Amino acid sequence: KAGVTQTPRYLIKTRGQQVTLSCSPISGHRSVSWYQQTPGQGLQFLFEYFSETQRNKGNFPGRFSGRQFSNSRSEMNVSTLELGDSALYLCASSLAVGTGTEKLFFGSGTQLSVL
Amino acid sequence: AQSVTQPDIHITVSEGASLELRCNYSYGATPYLFWYVQSPGQGLQLLLKYFSGDTLVQGIKGFEAEFKRSQSSFNLRKPSVHWSDAAEYFCAVGINQAGTALIFGKGTTLSVSS
Repeated sequence: KAGVTQTPRYLIKTRGQQVTLSCSPISGHRSVSWYQQTPGQGLQFLFEYFSETQRNKGNFPGRFSGRQFSNSRSEMNVSTLELGDSALYLCASSLAVGTGTEKLFFGSGTQLSVL
Repeated sequence: AQSVTQPDIHITVSEGASLELRCNYSYGATPYLFWYVQSPGQGLQLLLKYFSGDTLVQGIKGFEAEFKRSQSSFNLRKPSVHWSDAAEYFCAVGINQAGTALIFGKGTTLSVSS
């Protein structure tokens, strides 16, 4: 069974640009969540999608948005990039069919550098 | 607000010695608690989780953790550390019922000396 796939693996952008990151969950998984990892702030929850609906949202500005498609694939978009957006962006998927029983499977991440 | 604190940024343990990584959480309701490990090139992997029931939870790779509600703690332990355990360890609390949205601590880096 293929794991969580994130593309691209590395990305370099300049300030003011926008970027779209992609995440393909494990087959059959309906929940996709996104995390930002930086040396200073650690791992921070961005948002979670379940059946094409945003179910939970972290404390990030509106420049960060996402969506989920009917095949559970998810995209994350960051508009008007800032230097501080440089980070490893991790995607995680899970079956999400029960209460508090889920295990998250993480992808390898997309390393975004903003110059 | 929910939060997770890992007081130790870096810990060095001799191979074969015991290990305890500390984790304290702040959460209003009964917490869903997790420990994840991140090794270079291997991504984040779940070690163990606590949702309810027995407060001593067994995980993979010989790890265990104990939930202590009175101390708001969920410390990770291993009786004998192997060199391959060197990695970064993250404690997390789930902020939704599904346990799919997590608040992570800043992590503890474990080094293993021979």
